[in-house]
Amino acid sequence: DGGITQSPKYLFRKEGQNVTLSCEQNLNHDAMYWYRQDPGQGLRLIYYSQIVNDFQKGDIAEGYSVSREKKESFPLTVTSAQKNPTAFYLCASSLDSPNYGYTFGSGTRLTVV
Amino acid sequence: KQEVTQIPAALSVPEGENLVLNCSFTDSAIYNLQWFRQDPGKGLTSLLLIQSSQREQTSGRLNASLDKSSGRSTLYIAASQPGDSATYLCAVIIQGAQKLVFGQGTRLTINP
Repeated sequence: DGGITQSPKYLFRKEGQNVTLSCEQNLNHDAMYWYRQDPGQGLRLIYYSQIVNDFQKGDIAEGYSVSREKKESFPLTVTSAQKNPTAFYLCASSLDSPNYGYTFGSGTRLTVV
Repeated sequence: KQEVTQIPAALSVPEGENLVLNCSFTDSAIYNLQWFRQDPGKGLTSLLLIQSSQREQTSGRLNASLDKSSGRSTLYIAASQPGDSATYLCAVIIQGAQKLVFGQGTRLTINP
C-alpha cells in the first residue's frame, strides 16, 4: 500500500545536538511538507518542496533545515539553533495539483532531554 | 493572511446523537478545504476533501459542506459512536501557494 513513512516515532535530543527526522513516501507525489504541532497552537508549516532539489521556507523555518535530493524523501534536520524543539512533527505530501488533497504520515515526537 | 477558526474547541455528546462541527476562514480565495481526523499521538487521517467548485462531499456517516462566499464549512456526523472520539481538523488550501492552513481543531468525545 502507498503511504508516508516517518521515522523514528520517538526521538530524544540533548541540548546542542542536531537531529534528523526521516520522511519517505511511495505515492509518487510531487510536493512534500513538514509541519510542527504544539498543544493549543495547531499545525504550523516549517518547510515545503514542490520539486526535487528545490524547497521553500514556511512560517517557522528558523532553526530547521531540509533537503530534497530524491522525489521520495524529504528529511528534516532540527538544529541546535532551534530554541524550543520539543513538539510533534508531521510530514505530508501531495500531487502537484491541489485538487487531490494531502496525505500525512504518522508523526515523530521529539523531546529535548 | 488566511486564518482558520474552528468552533467549538471541545464537544462532548452522548452516543447516537447527530452533531455539527464548524470551520470558518477569512479569505475565500481557496482551492479546496480538507477535513482530517487525529487520534491522540497519531498522524492525520483525511476524511473529506471539498474542491472549491463543490458545495458538499459525503462519506458514510460524514457530510461536509462548503460555502466559499461566507467563508464557512461544516462537518456533519450522523449517529455518533464512541469510535468517533478524536480531534477533527479543517484546513484550507490557499490559491497560488498550494499550502494548507489549519484551524486549531475540535476535540470530540462521544460518551457511551
